[in-house]
Amino acid sequence: GESVGLHLPTLSVQEGDNSIINCAYSNSASDYFIWYKQESGKGPQFIIDIRSNMDKRQGQRVTVLLNKTVKHLSLQIAATQPGDSAVYFCAENNNAGNMLTFGGGTRLMVKP
Amino acid sequence: DTGVSQNPRHKITKRGQNVTFRCDPISEHNRLYWYRQTLGQGPEFLTYFQNEAQLEKSRLLSDRFSAERPKGSFSTLEIQRTEQGDSAMYLCASSPQGGEYEQYFGPGTRLTVT
Repeated sequence: GESVGLHLPTLSVQEGDNSIINCAYSNSASDYFIWYKQESGKGPQFIIDIRSNMDKRQGQRVTVLLNKTVKHLSLQIAATQPGDSAVYFCAENNNAGNMLTFGGGTRLMVKP
Repeated sequence: DTGVSQNPRHKITKRGQNVTFRCDPISEHNRLYWYRQTLGQGPEFLTYFQNEAQLEKSRLLSDRFSAERPKGSFSTLEIQRTEQGDSAMYLCASSPQGGEYEQYFGPGTRLTVT
């Protein structure tokens, strides 16, 4: 398959460790944020979302933290597995669902 | 398969030719979006439909691009007189009524203009 994000920042972690992927967003009016996972040759896959009235949300093995003061979003993946290897994008929405604005992405590589 | 589907998955065309891509959204999703993604970048919004109405278009969508969703179900994206700069992954997403923030993406159509 094709490679997504040839020149992206890369986070390399050992299998079983926790991963933290960070994202800075630009628009203080954004009220909804999503993390997507994109594997090579595939479209972005929804992981977890958070609204601006929250600062933390947990899913299965994933946690998203939102710091509106500094416009920062993070994705924490617990017990990272080889299947988590992908490019991760944060996206923000400030226009009632009309469009998502994506960040630049981070490549996560999990070493077995 | 109940996800968003896109066809073709890959398209190679010569500069100056016209191409058309198709997107079938998740059943009963009333909103449909088109994005473009180049290597190393996140997807960029092109346009979206609510049912059959095209409600917003990005400045990225030049007059060589046209999108339709005639019956409020599948959508087509046509690029006329393709240029090498059009080479990209074209992604389609859909969202359900009341869940407009949740956009579910298809696998994309990879366009290469030679």
